[in-house]
Amino acid sequence: DAMVIQNPRYQVTQFGKPVTLSCSQTLNHNVMYWYQQKSSQAPKLLFHYYDKDFNNEADTPDNFQSRRPNTSFCFLDIRSPGLGDAAMYLCATSSRTTGQPQHFGDGTRLSIL
Amino acid sequence: GDSVTQMEGPVTLSEEAFLTINCTYTATGYPSLFWYVQYPGEGLQLLLKATKADDKGSNKGFEATYRKETTSFHLEKGSVQVSDSAVYFCALRGTQGGSEKLVFGKGTKLTVNP
Repeated sequence: DAMVIQNPRYQVTQFGKPVTLSCSQTLNHNVMYWYQQKSSQAPKLLFHYYDKDFNNEADTPDNFQSRRPNTSFCFLDIRSPGLGDAAMYLCATSSRTTGQPQHFGDGTRLSIL
Repeated sequence: GDSVTQMEGPVTLSEEAFLTINCTYTATGYPSLFWYVQYPGEGLQLLLKATKADDKGSNKGFEATYRKETTSFHLEKGSVQVSDSAVYFCALRGTQGGSEKLVFGKGTKLTVNP
């Protein structure tokens, strides 16, 4: 089945130690998104790529960056994680061409020690 | 800007009870509307959608009708099961610039007891 795959499912890092989360997709969608979701809250959009065009949300901290080396992969880099960055990180994809709804991965739960 | 207001939870029901989760929206133009479900420890799954007024989305016994006159998209199910326990998010996708983006409600946690 075509999917959005996030690795790892659980990630533990130390305060201030850079961490990278990965997302891959087999849907060939041209838009990829990263969301942060804290407990009992709705997902909060951090940024998205339309092809290689990067779109940052105005309130996304500078500590969060992203890379999309090709259509299939997208990475979320957290340069210096703080305790407040502990959350579930969700990757999603969609196709601007077909207008289909966003398709989500299962997420990576990030813990900060 | 666009916004979604969703019924506050948590909602606790007994198995086979009727479910309604209210959702209203504010948006310019004619947004597409969605219900997503999130089971514990998982990502969001699309439950149903509607793209124009009077459309009815349905899936797994859940239904929602796009009501433009009341700007609503209420989720209903006639007989809930324990396996329906999850968090439900109403969302819209607008028609303005950056229209791929979803605007979510705050989510409603549903617990169904046997």
